[in-house]
Amino acid sequence: ETGVTQSPTHLIKTRGQQVTLRCSSQSGHNTVSWYQQALGQGPQFIFQYYREEENGRGNFPPRFSGLQFPNYSSELNVNALELDDSALYLCASSLYGVDYGYTFGSGTRLTVV
Amino acid sequence: AQSVTQLGSHVSVSEGALVLLRCNYSSSVPPYLFWYVQYPNQGLQLLLKYTTGATLVKGINGFEAEFKKSETSFHLTKPSAHMSDAAEYFCAVRAHGSSNTGKLIFGQGTTLQVKP
Repeated sequence: ETGVTQSPTHLIKTRGQQVTLRCSSQSGHNTVSWYQQALGQGPQFIFQYYREEENGRGNFPPRFSGLQFPNYSSELNVNALELDDSALYLCASSLYGVDYGYTFGSGTRLTVV
Repeated sequence: AQSVTQLGSHVSVSEGALVLLRCNYSSSVPPYLFWYVQYPNQGLQLLLKYTTGATLVKGINGFEAEFKKSETSFHLTKPSAHMSDAAEYFCAVRAHGSSNTGKLIFGQGTTLQVKP
């Protein structure tokens, strides 16, 4: 059973640029959620994807968007990067309808300069 | 709506001493409760979870937690701390029977320091 893998592990971008982060879900999981963890804070829910559609969103602006692919992998896209977007971005996969079986990846550390 | 409060952003114990990390939650519906551990520069690892049934939950690495509905608490304990337990610990809540949005609400985290 493979776990959740995220790429890249680290990334440095300039303010105003766009970034794409990738996540491969755990085998058998069909749902992917994304979280933002600022330094010294707990993770905050960005959104979830199921059946290639967004089906839940936290308090994040539209410049945060995502995709889910037929193999259940997912991308998180952030446009017009701001300095405050610097954070650890975590992906979690689960099986839809099972409300407690989340597996997290190791995250992507994004630094915006 | 759900929320989580972790009492104490930093906890320091001696090796071999009892570990107690406090978590209180707010939820208008029966909750699912979780404890995760995060080592430096890593993602979240599930320690244990409460869904239904027995209120004392045992997890990995000797940790356990007790769901106390009357106190809206889910404190994490370990009888004897080990140096390798030093990490950041997060309590999280999710509502039963919600719209399956996968939204976990996390506390701010507690940093556990273990002194030799």
